[in-house]
Amino acid sequence: SQQGEEDPQALSIQEGENATMNCSYKTSINNLQWYRQNSGRGLVHLILIRSNEREKHSGRLRVTLDTSKKSSSLLITASRAADTASYFCATRPSGSARQLTFGSGTQLTVLP
Amino acid sequence: EAGVTQSPTHLIKTRGQQATLRCSPISGHTSVYWYQQALGLGLQFLLWYDEGEERNRGNFPPRFSGRQFPNYSSELNVNALELEDSALYLCASSPLQDSPLHFGNGTRLTVT
Repeated sequence: SQQGEEDPQALSIQEGENATMNCSYKTSINNLQWYRQNSGRGLVHLILIRSNEREKHSGRLRVTLDTSKKSSSLLITASRAADTASYFCATRPSGSARQLTFGSGTQLTVLP
Repeated sequence: EAGVTQSPTHLIKTRGQQATLRCSPISGHTSVYWYQQALGLGLQFLLWYDEGEERNRGNFPPRFSGRQFPNYSSELNVNALELEDSALYLCASSPLQDSPLHFGNGTRLTVT
């Protein structure tokens, strides 16, 4: 079953604009991670935020986590055509050993 | 450092046949995860191996099975193939349970 659900399913913006993607999840978590997937290839890890963190930055990426609302957002600033990809959130449930559960993804298209 | 490698990259089988997919994790990574990604969809968790043991499996029928070898490489077997098994099968590895996953580029399985 899908733990995380991304919103929107698809997003199209102009180069230079900011892109915001949201993720909601259902159970308590140890951490939440964002991944990127270029068409038909493997996923690449972008950023990990732990349950006791509220915000994290990495280059042009900013991730927020609201555990009370069970939601996270990924902001990509000053987007480039090369940012075109699918973006997935993944949650690591708290408690006993569990695998990462991925959401359904947001397809981001950045137009030059 | 060599990344996660998967073979073959493409596999075409006929309904009812068996498929074997292989994965070599990053050196030093003891955990291997298998995910199924049907066209245009998110990742569905299949299997998790760590130190040679199966730690967890997703909601898939028993005809999906696998194993992890002493060198931590892994094999996914799918018996009695069905048309709906056509998908991209992704393998990922990690050094520790809470660490981000490193993905291979997948095996594209087509069942005709």
